[in-house]
Amino acid sequence: SYELTQPPSVSVSPGQTARITCSGDALPKKYAYWYQQKSGQAPVLVIYEDSKRPSGIPERFSGSSSGTMATLTISGAQVGDETDYYCYSTDSSGNHRGVFGGGTKLTVL
Amino acid sequence: QMQLVESGGGVVQPGRSLRLSCAASGFTFNSYGMHWVRQAPGKGLEWVAVIWNDGSKKYYADSVKGRFTISRDNSKNMLYLQMNSLRAEDTAVYYCGRDPCGGDCFWFDYWGQGTLVTVSS
Repeated sequence: SYELTQPPSVSVSPGQTARITCSGDALPKKYAYWYQQKSGQAPVLVIYEDSKRPSGIPERFSGSSSGTMATLTISGAQVGDETDYYCYSTDSSGNHRGVFGGGTKLTVL
Repeated sequence: QMQLVESGGGVVQPGRSLRLSCAASGFTFNSYGMHWVRQAPGKGLEWVAVIWNDGSKKYYADSVKGRFTISRDNSKNMLYLQMNSLRAEDTAVYYCGRDPCGGDCFWFDYWGQGTLVTVSS
């Protein structure tokens, strides 16, 4: 079955740039999406279609994709950005399945 | 204001059934596909199922195929998940999510707050 791979954790100091990666064989053909989930809350969409930012999401959140890797970049990370992030996509086999990465815990301290 | 509110969670014994509901408001429900996504305690997110806006197509994760059924009632703005033959590994918070297209975008722009299902004897 198709898998998306994320690092379990990423750590940065406040004000630094955090980069969270997501690798998957179908990413050259399929968009990546990024969701932020704070403890006890529902996920929130922060990036869609690789690099588009929904209204209300701060400009410090950006996304990119190249080859088999998508990247969520948080420029000038803030303490409030410390939480879990999940990438999401679908495989290219046409079997209509959604797949999440395992999630990345971002620590800002 | 767009809102998705799940209900129907609770404690259920293995092998039994449960039906989850998701009440939608603040948007034209019959124009959008809908998904169920779940999250086991302390674990990551898992996509469960999708239904097209008109109910014409449904797709399931392999882990629930044959046991779970997604459905909708567009006259009531309601989404459902019928869960049969429940197992301990189905224990999770279940979220409904809106597909920004009729279903074939296959991602989610808005989520409900979730309902907890616990499968235990």
